[in-house]
Amino acid sequence: AQKVTQAQTEISVVEKEDVTLDCVYETRDTTYYLFWYKQPPSGELVFLIRRNSFDEQNEISGRYSWNFQKSTSSFNFTITASQVVDSAVYFCALKDMAAGNKLTFGGGTRVLVKP
Amino acid sequence: ETGVTQTPRHLVMGMTNKKSLKCEQHLGHNAMYWYKQSAKKPLELMFVYNFKEQTENNSVPSRFSPECPNSSHLFLHLHTLQPEDSALYLCASSLGENFDEKLFFGSGTQLSVL
Repeated sequence: AQKVTQAQTEISVVEKEDVTLDCVYETRDTTYYLFWYKQPPSGELVFLIRRNSFDEQNEISGRYSWNFQKSTSSFNFTITASQVVDSAVYFCALKDMAAGNKLTFGGGTRVLVKP
Repeated sequence: ETGVTQTPRHLVMGMTNKKSLKCEQHLGHNAMYWYKQSAKKPLELMFVYNFKEQTENNSVPSRFSPECPNSSHLFLHLHTLQPEDSALYLCASSLGENFDEKLFFGSGTQLSVL
């Protein structure tokens, strides 16, 4: 069965510090997609990135970067030089063929960036 | 105007009440979803509609009744709820029901059942 684990429930940092959010997933499929979403205090989840299982290239988007390691079934997310606006709950999610259109979410990691 | 709009933002209801949650998307998408987010569990998919047809019911109790009159609107009718149903109910949409689709979410309805 598919499963996503975000072991860190809450991380608190001071502005300008880097913060890395861990995501470990389980799937029996060879074809799957991994996602990260951000949920600010306003409530709506905002899509950040999608990665398919055949593309292990790491990605950088501004202050955000993602490290996909199939060997360890991990898809970690790093925020560089964090800002107060980065304070939110971040969710890692998995879609695989066995689950059809069900997006399996991790429990989320709450990031608090203090000024 | 946000792409996915949910009303009301907050709702308090008694266990004998009947209420409805509304979701509207302005993105031209064909698939719509209801998710439940509670403090004790990860985000749970409840229902999926694709081109107005229900394609997923994730073993949701019958006290939750979805309705999708067209691709832009989605409702969740609530009746005889339990206190454990208190949660944030999120609506989402996607272009289609493709495997790699990203979802666009509304801000949710925070529901409290007394």
